[in-house]
Amino acid sequence: DTGVSQDPRHKITKRGQNVTFRCDPISEHNRLYWYRQTLGQGPEFLTYFQNEAQLEKSRLLSDRFSAERPKGSFSTLEIQRTEQGDSAMYLCASSRVPTDTQYFGPGTRLTVL
Amino acid sequence: DAKTTQPPSMDCAEGRAANLPCNHSTISGNEYVYWYRQIHSQGPQYIIHGLKNNETNEMASLIITEDRKSSTLILPHATLRDTAVYYCIVKGGTSYGKLTFGQGTILTVHP
Repeated sequence: DTGVSQDPRHKITKRGQNVTFRCDPISEHNRLYWYRQTLGQGPEFLTYFQNEAQLEKSRLLSDRFSAERPKGSFSTLEIQRTEQGDSAMYLCASSRVPTDTQYFGPGTRLTVL
Repeated sequence: DAKTTQPPSMDCAEGRAANLPCNHSTISGNEYVYWYRQIHSQGPQYIIHGLKNNETNEMASLIITEDRKSSTLILPHATLRDTAVYYCIVKGGTSYGKLTFGQGTILTVHP
């Protein structure tokens, strides 16, 4: 396995701008999760895909957030009209049936100025 | 998923075993215990998981009490690179399940 990859690793943006992050899961992993982690806290669940279907979204995922996994492979997470409170590490994890052991990527650190 | 309780911090001397405890007194029969760790500014790293039997892999050993209400992660020979936040997580079965992270235990390995 080459591991979960995320791009970019760091993103600095101004308040009000849109940003998009990409996650490439481990090959053949059909489940993909997004988490967010703020300073000093553990990661918090945002959303989950099984293949291309988005099956659960957290209340943390406001209307400004959208996630896609169009072909059941890579996934994107877009934040529109960023706010300073969106500053965090965005983590992606993938897993496969039946074990569902989740393997995390290195994360994308977002800073909103 | 059951809630877990971990000490906020622990210290260990390099080369000694690190024993990290976790309480999960409300765990259900089909819930697994997972351990992850997170080194500063990196994504969480999977360590090990178990249901009721003790488990061992190349990274660590997991000891689960007979009543399954607590567990201990053992790093047999801690190194400086094991300094990290260690998270104990209970997750329902092998079906889909988001991981609910607590505050974890900050393990500091000293030379």
